[in-house]
Amino acid sequence: QKEVEQNSGPLSVPEGAIASLNCTYSDRGSQSFFWYRQYSGKSPELIMSIYSNGDKEDGRFTAQLNKASQYVSLLIRDSQPSDSATYLCAVRGGSNYKLTFGKGTLLTVNP
Amino acid sequence: GAVVSQHPSRVICKSGTSVKIECRSLDFQATTMFWYRQFPKQSLMLMATSNEGSKATYEQGVEKDKFLINHASLTLSTLTVTSAHPEDSSFYICSATYRDTFSNQPQHFGDGTRLSIL
Repeated sequence: QKEVEQNSGPLSVPEGAIASLNCTYSDRGSQSFFWYRQYSGKSPELIMSIYSNGDKEDGRFTAQLNKASQYVSLLIRDSQPSDSATYLCAVRGGSNYKLTFGKGTLLTVNP
Repeated sequence: GAVVSQHPSRVICKSGTSVKIECRSLDFQATTMFWYRQFPKQSLMLMATSNEGSKATYEQGVEKDKFLINHASLTLSTLTVTSAHPEDSSFYICSATYRDTFSNQPQHFGDGTRLSIL
């Protein structure tokens, strides 16, 4: 059974701080890793993808992948109240394109 | 790019009604589409995977006769909830992706359909 684990939170950070979201996965064959943001009542929105070990930066977002530790994280710099949402970690292995989602971490950024 | 349109956004209907939800990829050819269901404060639950021109693959516990999926073209998949009952009320979300050389393409989600059965 492929599993993706996230701390459900809520994670609360002040505006301007760095929010750190973590995710571990069980399938060592996983090849692609994604972070989605989901606002309450809305569908998920892709914010980052990462495929190789190391860091990948896109604006205020940095994804980090460590395949040896089966660990992927998302850092949000200069957090804004508009970043308040549930962040879903999703992992894909093989070629069937199915994603295994974590249960999500609820992030609250306080003004 | 990679826009997925889902329609309708909200449906309210009586018990016993069949409801069809459409999912379209607007600017790419979606070789694979997925249908999810999400209950309040829970994560996404994959219902089925749909490849263009072939039968959908349903996840364990999902009734294929209850949730009919058609993926007749590379830009359109439909989910029909047949004879819907109140327990089918949920947030239904489709996603789409396409194959590339490196199998790296993410899933792009539609806006979802909120189904309420009275």
